[in-house]
Amino acid sequence: DVKVTQSSRYLVKRTGEKVFLECVQDMDHENMFWYRQDPGLGLRLIYFSYDVKMKEKGDIPEGYSVSREKKERFSLILESASTNQTSMYLCAIQTGWGNQPQHFGDGTRLSIL
Amino acid sequence: ELKVEQNPLFLSMQEGKNYTIYCNYSTTSDRLYWYRQDPGKSLESLFVLLSNGAVKQEGRLMASLDTKARLSTLHITAAVHDLSATYFCATRGDDMRFGAGTRLTVKP
Repeated sequence: DVKVTQSSRYLVKRTGEKVFLECVQDMDHENMFWYRQDPGLGLRLIYFSYDVKMKEKGDIPEGYSVSREKKERFSLILESASTNQTSMYLCAIQTGWGNQPQHFGDGTRLSIL
Repeated sequence: ELKVEQNPLFLSMQEGKNYTIYCNYSTTSDRLYWYRQDPGKSLESLFVLLSNGAVKQEGRLMASLDTKARLSTLHITAAVHDLSATYFCATRGDDMRFGAGTRLTVKP
């Protein structure tokens, strides 16, 4: 079974802080994704990566950056957290070019005060 | 820009009834995914549809894909309470796009 581990289930931070959300996979999957989920908006793609040191902007990259120094780890960074970044963040992995579904982590519920 | 629209967004149905959730997308794509999310949980894959006319069934759920109409459907047969969840469709263009989700509640 594919395992996608997000470092925290719940996180509370303050406005202006730099926030790191970590995602680790236990297989050799190339493709990793970060989404945020808000009620009524579904999942919106923030960034994704097809390989080490490679990143692509998704639908809503503003205010975020990512890092992928090792294949198994994909980090989402909030450079200066703001209250409108309070959300559920989901990491996902996908094998190949889309013939398989994405596998999701349990999510991190982030509150910015 | 790829857009994915689901309807209805909310669905309340009685046990034993049938219903269909619709997923429309705006640009050419031959990959359509359906996921289920239970409250407080993450997303779980239900179906992957990879070609025009594809149909997949698991239990009381059946998904189909019409790439020419840019439409996928998720049909629920004889609903039971355990099917209560939020269902998402998604498709892949240059990136992944999800619908807003359909919150299904099945009442006895």
